[in-house]
Amino acid sequence: RKEVEQDPGPFNVPEGATVAFNCTYSNSASQSFFWYRQDCRKEPKLLMSVYSSGNEDGRFTAQLNRASQYISLLIRDSKLSDSATYLCVVRGDYKLSFGAGTTVTVRA
Amino acid sequence: SQTIHQWPATLVQPVGSPLSLECTVEGTSNPNLYWYRQAAGRGLQLLFYSVGIGQISSEVPQNLSASRPQDRQFILSSKKLLLSDSGFYLCAWSTGNTIYFGEGSWLTVV
Repeated sequence: RKEVEQDPGPFNVPEGATVAFNCTYSNSASQSFFWYRQDCRKEPKLLMSVYSSGNEDGRFTAQLNRASQYISLLIRDSKLSDSATYLCVVRGDYKLSFGAGTTVTVRA
Repeated sequence: SQTIHQWPATLVQPVGSPLSLECTVEGTSNPNLYWYRQAAGRGLQLLFYSVGIGQISSEVPQNLSASRPQDRQFILSSKKLLLSDSGFYLCAWSTGNTIYFGEGSWLTVV
């Protein structure tokens, strides 16, 4: 079983729509959680950390469910510039594990 | 502020040729340094990480090697490339919980 699994998508949504997707992780001892954004042929960049109580950063909302071992990302009022691949990242004892990414395409 | 730079950005190498990718970090001291590889449609695979000069840990067996000759310099090498070495190579650094990536190097082995 992969350490971090994501629905690869793609999620094709119109501008202004809300899109949400999840990521599951296998290590119940995981300590920290992040969402990264990766544009085509570019390096991943930190989008936001995910806190136990859930957190927002503008139009982005992240949630953590430790009992079910998943994290989620919700994007409200989607913009064309939100089109990217979103990587779920989980930190265990000493290393980070990356999901393969969920691709989101926002259309005009 | 901290910056990370890696090069070259793109390279095409024949099978059996050597490889050297270099990465430097500025604006921080004693960072943890990493080399990842990303194959098409797959997650990032950790290749090497280093917690200090001369200290290298390898995550997977392969024909690649890494060296850290200076605190903020990390080098990925191979003596003889394989076709399967093609991919997107990313250097990264961290000093705490979060990791930051360089611009990446696209390697095509032909």
